[in-house]
Amino acid sequence: EAVIYQTPRYLVIGTGKKITLECSQTMGHDKMYWYQQDPGMELHLIHYSYGVNSTEKGDLSSESTVSRIRTEHFPLTLESARPSHTSQYLCASTSEVGEKLFFGSGTQLSVL
Amino acid sequence: DQQVKQNSPSLSVQEGRISILNCDYTNSMFDYFLWYKKYPAEGPTFLISISSIKDKNEDGRFTVFLNKSAKHLSLHIVPSQPGDSAVYFCAPGGGTYKYIFGTGTRLKVLA
Repeated sequence: EAVIYQTPRYLVIGTGKKITLECSQTMGHDKMYWYQQDPGMELHLIHYSYGVNSTEKGDLSSESTVSRIRTEHFPLTLESARPSHTSQYLCASTSEVGEKLFFGSGTQLSVL
Repeated sequence: DQQVKQNSPSLSVQEGRISILNCDYTNSMFDYFLWYKKYPAEGPTFLISISSIKDKNEDGRFTVFLNKSAKHLSLHIVPSQPGDSAVYFCAPGGGTYKYIFGTGTRLKVLA
């Protein structure tokens, strides 16, 4: 069974804090993605990676950054969180084009 | 410019009847089409996919139809069950590995 781990599930923090959202997968997938979803809205791609040391920005501009030092790990960092960053962040991975995306459970971020 | 549109934000169906969810896209280069189901505060779960070389794919109660000339796909759920109540997203993708999600349709199956 394919599994993607995202931690934390819920995070409430104050403005100006630095945060890192963790995402790990055990399937050896090369392709990993970060999506952002506000309630009732579509999922927006904010970052993706084709493999180690490869990261690209997605269709939606984001102040977050990502890194891909290991195949299985794709963390997302916000250097200084703001209320506008309040959203659900979803991590996903896949092995090949045309194959389904496997999603984690998401991180619900609230910035006060 | 939205490349993927799900024009029905919500749909209510009686238990046991058919649910039909629609999706339109603009980019003719999309080769693969995925459908996902999502509950609030959870990650999407994969339902069914279809390749552009097919016009129909079936998996149990779920069938996806693709009309490439019309750039339209639909998901049929028969029979609908209360547990199917969720938000459904279509997600076309192509050779750039990026999947683009629609705005979703909230399905409510009434018991």
